[in-house]
Amino acid sequence: AQKITQTQPGMFVQEKEAVTLDCTYDTSDPSYGLFWYKQPSSGEMIFLIYQGSYDQQNATEGRYSLNFQKARKSANLVISASQLGDSAMYFCAMRASNDYKLSFGAGTTVTVRA
Amino acid sequence: NAGVTQTPKFQVLKTGQSMTLQCAQDMNHEYMSWYRQDPGMGLRLIHYSVGAGITDQGEVPNGYNVSRSTTEDFPLRLLSAAPSQTSVYFCASRQLRDRGPYEQYFGPGTRLTVT
Repeated sequence: AQKITQTQPGMFVQEKEAVTLDCTYDTSDPSYGLFWYKQPSSGEMIFLIYQGSYDQQNATEGRYSLNFQKARKSANLVISASQLGDSAMYFCAMRASNDYKLSFGAGTTVTVRA
Repeated sequence: NAGVTQTPKFQVLKTGQSMTLQCAQDMNHEYMSWYRQDPGMGLRLIHYSVGAGITDQGEVPNGYNVSRSTTEDFPLRLLSAAPSQTSVYFCASRQLRDRGPYEQYFGPGTRLTVT
């Protein structure tokens, strides 16, 4: 069974600064994918970024980057140059390549201050 | 493309009532799933399906039934609602072709309250 841990229930960040959201996972599968989703206060789930366990480079998508440390089983999301619209809950999720199911962490709420 | 749609958006039930949450997708995705979201617990998988006629249980299946008669639709049934089923329910889908890493697309959610 996969377990995803997000230890930061809530974080505050100043506008234009960077913020790092922690995610650690536990799996015995050698091949897996890691996902980050954003859930604004309106409630929808928005896909942000994906990292494969065999990808050689850390994933980046615009202001989002994933700090992937395979040996530590860590997949932290970095949001650079925070904007007020980044205020939301962020979920880390993982799926083993030989599994259909996507498992989620408990989420981290980010509040961006002007 | 409407993506993943869910109805209703809000629902209040009394304990013991039954209801069906509807989910449909127009992306021809083979995989569909239902999650519930509760504060501090993230999203937990209830049931999932990898194609018409094929369903399986997720992490928290008790009290819920599903069926998949078409590729497009994946309804979730609560047979006898309980206050513990008060939650926000999300339906999600993704493609399985090509065995890629494809992300899941989520519906807008249904907020259910059981009194």
